[in-house]
Amino acid sequence: GAVVSQHPSRVICKSGTSVKIECRSLDFQATTMFWYRQFPKQSLMLMATSNEGSKATYEQGVEKDKFLINHASLTLSTLTVTSAHPEDSSFYICSATIGSYNEQFFGPGTRLTVL
Amino acid sequence: GQNIDQPTEMTATEGAIVQINCTYQTSGFNGLFWYQQHAGEAPTFLSYNVLDGLEEKGRFSSFLSRSKGYSYLLLKELQMKDSASYLCAVRDGPGGYNKLIFGAGTRLAVHP
Repeated sequence: GAVVSQHPSRVICKSGTSVKIECRSLDFQATTMFWYRQFPKQSLMLMATSNEGSKATYEQGVEKDKFLINHASLTLSTLTVTSAHPEDSSFYICSATIGSYNEQFFGPGTRLTVL
Repeated sequence: GQNIDQPTEMTATEGAIVQINCTYQTSGFNGLFWYQQHAGEAPTFLSYNVLDGLEEKGRFSSFLSRSKGYSYLLLKELQMKDSASYLCAVRDGPGGYNKLIFGAGTRLAVHP
């Protein structure tokens, strides 16, 4: 099946710093990638939808200047959490699809802890 | 608004059958997914329904009634490894847009 990787798997940073998370589709070209955030014992909340070569579409309430998304190629999307604060600590998961109707393949997630 | 409801927790015995229900109210509907998620891991795909009826895949079956805004996931011959969270997700939005809205998930504990 389709494989999606994320890097890093865990990151701890100081408040006020920026953190970049990479999402890669390893064996397919992803037309669309999605970024989710999941707090403990809660479900996945969609943050933004990213199409290669175009600007990301952010969900209501998600600050686009704080969560920068770049989708430079069909196999790579990055999420940068700028000026991170402790409340940004969460599990960040990306997913990728081949075409609009197909299932989403999820990455293994990145655990971000902001001190 | 968008609303997807699932029970928060369920328990069952190894070897038994369990049904996890999901009701939804969304502005659009273009299919319903069930995912399994173990703690600290990413969700893995279990099933997909877009038409009414039952879809069977091994020990897992999923049912959909679009008129009732209702789905269930049926797990048979439960195994200890089935202890996980089960997420119901609706594909919403205009045709071709693959946005998923997730329920809060149902944490299933399987006991010996």
